[in-house]
Amino acid sequence: QVQLVQSGAEVQRPGASVKISCKASGFSFTSHPIHWVRRAPGQGLEWMGWINPGNGNTKSSPKFQGRLTISKDTSANTVYMALSGLRSDDTAIYYCARFWAAGEAFDLWGQGSQVTVSA
Amino acid sequence: DIFLTQSPLSLPVTPGAPASISCKSSQSLLHTNGFTYLSWYLQRPGKSPQLLIYLGSRRASGVPDRFSASGTGTDFTLRISRVEAEDVGVYYCMQALQTLTFGGGTKVEI
Repeated sequence: QVQLVQSGAEVQRPGASVKISCKASGFSFTSHPIHWVRRAPGQGLEWMGWINPGNGNTKSSPKFQGRLTISKDTSANTVYMALSGLRSDDTAIYYCARFWAAGEAFDLWGQGSQVTVSA
Repeated sequence: DIFLTQSPLSLPVTPGAPASISCKSSQSLLHTNGFTYLSWYLQRPGKSPQLLIYLGSRRASGVPDRFSASGTGTDFTLRISRVEAEDVGVYYCMQALQTLTFGGGTKVEI
């Protein structure tokens, strides 16, 4: 089955870090860039960054420069998103999504991982 | 960055009636290859976003034909010919011509 399955909900203190996983199955892991998008409460979708699982190249939004790390484990068909220096406004649902190059769009999404930042 | 402005922010709809959402871009989304790098998504309550439209006007696999999209350059429109109850949620446009950005979203509710 073609899917992206993400890790579960996390509650973290301000200043801490969080790492979310996104496991791909049913398609060639190295053939599609995987992006991270978040949606904070009452807000819209926000693009964060992406990784090319084929060569490991990454790019992040300048907004998260220095705090966001996207990595991969090819043997596990899994992409990771780590965000450090958490603040209350990082509370959001985080999604991984597969980028479909031919359509220049996201054609497959993970189920989302809730991250709550609270003292 | 390319900015996308959606309107309206909220759209009350009636089942069976048509509906439309606008997405205006701060720059043309027409690539030199002739394709328009704009897509539309629906995020139903409690669900992940799903792709509706890609390359400006092409319906994604499995998307009902009551959904259509048009537009060129900087002005785009998503249309629902006859709204159904399952169409409620937040609709987003997204551009992939440069660093990815989303519109602010349009909440469709019955």
